[in-house]
Amino acid sequence: EIVLTQSPGTLSLSPGERATLSCRASQSISNNYLVWYQQKPGQAPRLLIYGASTRATGIPDRFSGSGSGTDFTLTIGRLEPEDFAVYYCQQYTTSFTFGPGTKVDIK
Amino acid sequence: EVQLVESGGGLVQPGGSLRLSCAASGFTLSHYWMHWVRQVPGKGLVWVSRITNDGSSTTYADSVKGRFTISRDTAKNTLYLQMNSLRAEDTAVYYCGRGGVTAALDYWGQGTLVTVSS
Repeated sequence: EIVLTQSPGTLSLSPGERATLSCRASQSISNNYLVWYQQKPGQAPRLLIYGASTRATGIPDRFSGSGSGTDFTLTIGRLEPEDFAVYYCQQYTTSFTFGPGTKVDIK
Repeated sequence: EVQLVESGGGLVQPGGSLRLSCAASGFTLSHYWMHWVRQVPGKGLVWVSRITNDGSSTTYADSVKGRFTISRDTAKNTLYLQMNSLRAEDTAVYYCGRGGVTAALDYWGQGTLVTVSS
């Protein structure tokens, strides 16, 4: 089973700052089946990025994904107040796994 | 509009059973893979199970294999998760999700809470 590690665990930033979140896999993820979600308290997760770098419908262009193989990054260009949340990466190879999440909170 | 609405959660004793439902609208279940994902309140997401669009293949996390069964009723456009031999560690909010492009879950329900306790 592929294990996903996300860093940092918590990222404390101010609105307007840039956020860089990392997701590292224990083995290479084929076909870039790497996904990013955002989750706010009391809500279901929301799809942000699929295929490592493709924004889902309706996702603002301040969100971008990059990477391949075992190292992937989610970048939020300029943090808006509604972006403070927990972000999860997820992969699919022969099975599905989620990373432990990165919490982006207000500094 | 795509909607997923879970139901069936509640309090159950260890060793008991529960069946969760996920009613889909705005799309046809038989065109998509469907998933169950759970989350202990305050903790991370854990993938539980998946069924393919034609229902021919199901996959489970090791932690639930042999105890949980995913299924669907295409006439009712509803996804199910039959949970048997429940344990305290199965306590979580259970979400159903639609599998979209490249294994992403593009729509999620609001979740249903399952509590396993005596």
